[in-house]
Amino acid sequence: EDQVTQSPEALRLQEGESSSLNCSYTVSGLRGLFWYRQDPGKGPEFLFTLYSAGEEKEKERLKATLTKKESFLHITAPKPEDSATYLCAVQAVEAGGSQGNLIFGKGTKLSVKP
Amino acid sequence: DGGITQSPKYLFRKEGQNVTLSCEQNLNHDAMYWYRQDPGQGLRLIYYSQIVNDFQKGDIAEGYSVSREKKESFPLTVTSAQKNPTAFYLCASTHTGGTQPQHFGDGTRLSIL
Repeated sequence: EDQVTQSPEALRLQEGESSSLNCSYTVSGLRGLFWYRQDPGKGPEFLFTLYSAGEEKEKERLKATLTKKESFLHITAPKPEDSATYLCAVQAVEAGGSQGNLIFGKGTKLSVKP
Repeated sequence: DGGITQSPKYLFRKEGQNVTLSCEQNLNHDAMYWYRQDPGQGLRLIYYSQIVNDFQKGDIAEGYSVSREKKESFPLTVTSAQKNPTAFYLCASTHTGGTQPQHFGDGTRLSIL
């Protein structure tokens, strides 16, 4: 069964304290892995798409990396405004109409204290 | 600006009542999705549609219904058969073909009176 597991569930950092969030996945074949940011009471905001092992994407203080079994979201010198829940989702290679569907992890809630 | 609009932001349902959540997009996306989000759980797929006048059940379709009469619109009805409707409902859309990210609206929070 296709599955996505994110860890830790919650992470508390001091401003400037770099860290990483993990997304482990089990799928029959990976079409793409997506990272989203979700603020309280809002919909997820798209951050990155990763397609193949070894790929990296960066945006400001965030860098996403991908291996054959997991992805990491590295946060360098975080600021309080980086506080949010970060969601990981995978799109699997499947025949038929469900091809575009995403499987989501439960998210990591990040809190950055000044 | 293009985007996805969900309304209302907050909705209250009485016992035995059906309620409809609106989702409109002006991104010219073919595919649209409804998810349910509960605290501590990932997003769970309720229904999806890849083309007008066609839709498929997701993982938790029982107690819900949808229609797709226009490309821009994908309303979700929470029926009285859904016994635990309290949740945050998210609508998303994307282009079909290739590996495209889904883009989300800002959700509707449904509560029971």
